[in-house]
Amino acid sequence: EIVLTQSPATLSLSPGERVTVSCRASQSVSSHLAWYQQKPGQAPRLLIYDASNRATGIPARFSGSGSGTDFTLTISSLESEDFAVYYCQQRNNWPLTFGGGTKVEFK
Amino acid sequence: EVQLVESGGALVQPGGSLRVSCAASGFTFSNYGMNWVRQAPGKGLEWVSAISGSGENTNYADSVKGRFTISRDNSKNTLYLQMNSLRAGDTAVYYCAKGRYCSGGSCPSWFDPWGQGTLVAVSS
Repeated sequence: EIVLTQSPATLSLSPGERVTVSCRASQSVSSHLAWYQQKPGQAPRLLIYDASNRATGIPARFSGSGSGTDFTLTISSLESEDFAVYYCQQRNNWPLTFGGGTKVEFK
Repeated sequence: EVQLVESGGALVQPGGSLRVSCAASGFTFSNYGMNWVRQAPGKGLEWVSAISGSGENTNYADSVKGRFTISRDNSKNTLYLQMNSLRAGDTAVYYCAKGRYCSGGSCPSWFDPWGQGTLVAVSS
């Protein structure tokens, strides 16, 4: 099973700041990595698929990069609606696996 | 607009069985892989199972293999998860999620969109 390790676990930030979330895989997942956003009481929402492709309707301030074992989700300028938990997920191998999540909270 | 609506969640005793369903609309259901993903209270996301568009290929997390069965009825645009030998550790919100285009074969995917989830609680 591929283990995805996200860091940091929590980010305390203010609106307007740049956000960088890391996801490291225990073995190569090629570019087969996705990112999700989840707000309290809501289902997750796909942000990025296959490392760097924004999903439909996702604002341009969200971007993804990386390949192999190291990936990054970047929010260029944090907006109030972006405070949430972010998860990475790999689809390179069965079983599909998620990272443990990164909570972006108000500073 | 793609819509996924789960139903069937309930309180079940340990060792019991339950079937949850997911009604899909807004896309050609038989052309897409479908998945179940669960989230225990206050915890992260765990992929549970996937099925190809034709229903011929299925995959499971080790934690549910041999106890859970994923299936689909393409004539009813509905996805199912039959859960047997339920344990307290299976307590979670169960989400169905649409995968990528996959009429047949094994198609590991991202998940987009997700349903609103249905709560399965296993307790005596």
